Amino acid sequence: GIQVEQSPPDLILQEGANSTLRCNFSDSVNNLQWFHQNPWGQLINLFYIPSGTKQNGRLSATTVATERYSLLYISSSQTTDSGVYFCAVYALNFGKGTSLLVTP
Amino acid sequence: EAQVTQNPRYLITVTGKKLTVTCSQNMNHEYMSWYRQDPGLGLRQIYYSMNVEVTDKGDVPEGYKVSRKEKRNFPLILESPSPNQTSLYFCASSGGPTGEDEQYFGPGTRLTVT
Repeated sequence: GIQVEQSPPDLILQEGANSTLRCNFSDSVNNLQWFHQNPWGQLINLFYIPSGTKQNGRLSATTVATERYSLLYISSSQTTDSGVYFCAVYALNFGKGTSLLVTP
Repeated sequence: EAQVTQNPRYLITVTGKKLTVTCSQNMNHEYMSWYRQDPGLGLRQIYYSMNVEVTDKGDVPEGYKVSRKEKRNFPLILESPSPNQTSLYFCASSGGPTGEDEQYFGPGTRLTVT
C-alpha cells in the first residue's frame, strides 16, 4: 500500500505561534485528507485536498501531488488546537500523526 | 446537519457477550466503512460497503461482522468479543461508491472487553 509519513511526530507550541506540519506519501494520489483528533478522540475533517491550496480560518493546507507531499499550516495557534493531526490517503493509509500541544 | 452517528459512544462488556455498534449517516452516501484505532497501530479498516447488500473485508476483519440492509445504516457486530477487540472504533461514510471521495467520520465508540 501507499506509505504515508508525517513530521514532526511531536510538537509543542506556545499560544500564538505558527507551525507547519508535513505529510509525505510514497505514490501519486488523487485523494488526501487532513484530520484533527481532539483530546476526546473525535476525528474532525480539516481539509479534503488532493491538490492545490485551501484555507479555513487560521488553518490552511497545500498539496503538491506531483512531489508527493502535503503541508498543513496552523497560524496563531490556540490551546484548542491541541491534539493529533493525521493525514490520510484514500482514508485507508493514515500517517502516524503529529501530536501537537499548545500551551498558554 | 450532515453527520455520521454512532451508538453507543462508550461500552464496557465481557468476553463472549454479543454486541452491536450502530452507525448511521444522513448524507445519502454510498460508501461506508468501519475502522479501529489502537496505540502504535493507527487506524485500520475492518470492513467496508460500497452500497446496500455489498460489503467486503478490510485489513482486520477477523472477529467482526457487518450488514448493509439500508443505505444509511452500517452496524458492526461482534458475535463473541474478546479482550483484543478493546479499541476505539470509527464509522465513516463517503459520497462516491469506492470511498475515494472525502470521508466523514463518526464520533467514535470506545469499547472495552474484559
